[in-house]
Amino acid sequence: DQQVKQNSPSLSVQEGRISILNCDYTNSMFDYFLWYKKYPAEGPTFLISISSIKDKNEDGRFTVFLNKSAKHLSLHIVPSQPGDSAVYFCAASEYGNKLVFGAGTILRVKS
Amino acid sequence: NAGVMQNPRHLVRRRGQEARLRCSPMKGHSHVYWYRQLPEEGLKFMVYLQKENIIDESGMPKERFSAEFPKEGPSILRIQQVVRGDSAAYFCASSPSPGEKLFFGSGTQLSVL
Repeated sequence: DQQVKQNSPSLSVQEGRISILNCDYTNSMFDYFLWYKKYPAEGPTFLISISSIKDKNEDGRFTVFLNKSAKHLSLHIVPSQPGDSAVYFCAASEYGNKLVFGAGTILRVKS
Repeated sequence: NAGVMQNPRHLVRRRGQEARLRCSPMKGHSHVYWYRQLPEEGLKFMVYLQKENIIDESGMPKERFSAEFPKEGPSILRIQQVVRGDSAAYFCASSPSPGEKLFFGSGTQLSVL
């Protein structure tokens, strides 16, 4: 039962352009959403989060959008840089409970 | 300010042996989570512990796997009688309170021969 889905296994983007990573969820009780970034042989590192009371959160080049009616969130990276190449995981939770992760999207930023 | 520390980074075991994975949470964090990542898959929740208590073990296989987080010392994930299918990266994460973002360790890569 995949409650959090990242349907694109990989994404390739030119340096300087926008990267858009998508995530869908099925559990309407989720109220907290996060994006993590992971390099090979390292643990995931927190990138940005959004609570269900908001529809947008921005931090520098990273913006997360939440569409509760569609149960969809997306991460925008503008402008994309080669150092952004990594695996990006979407995660969600009900308050106080464990994070549920998607399968990840491999982002490759070409210079 | 040390982050989440996991050891060993790599662990090789033969089928039937025991594997012990250790995790020291960030200072001030009393909530520990264990996740497993199989090849080509995402992170799967295994167990959530607070000091001396297992809060949620819904992702833990019923047999051979156990976890603890004693009053003193690191959290331990123990896998008895390992099989090849246990080969994976095991990540520990901690948070200061439930519902907050998790900070992850670098993981333990378990290889079962």
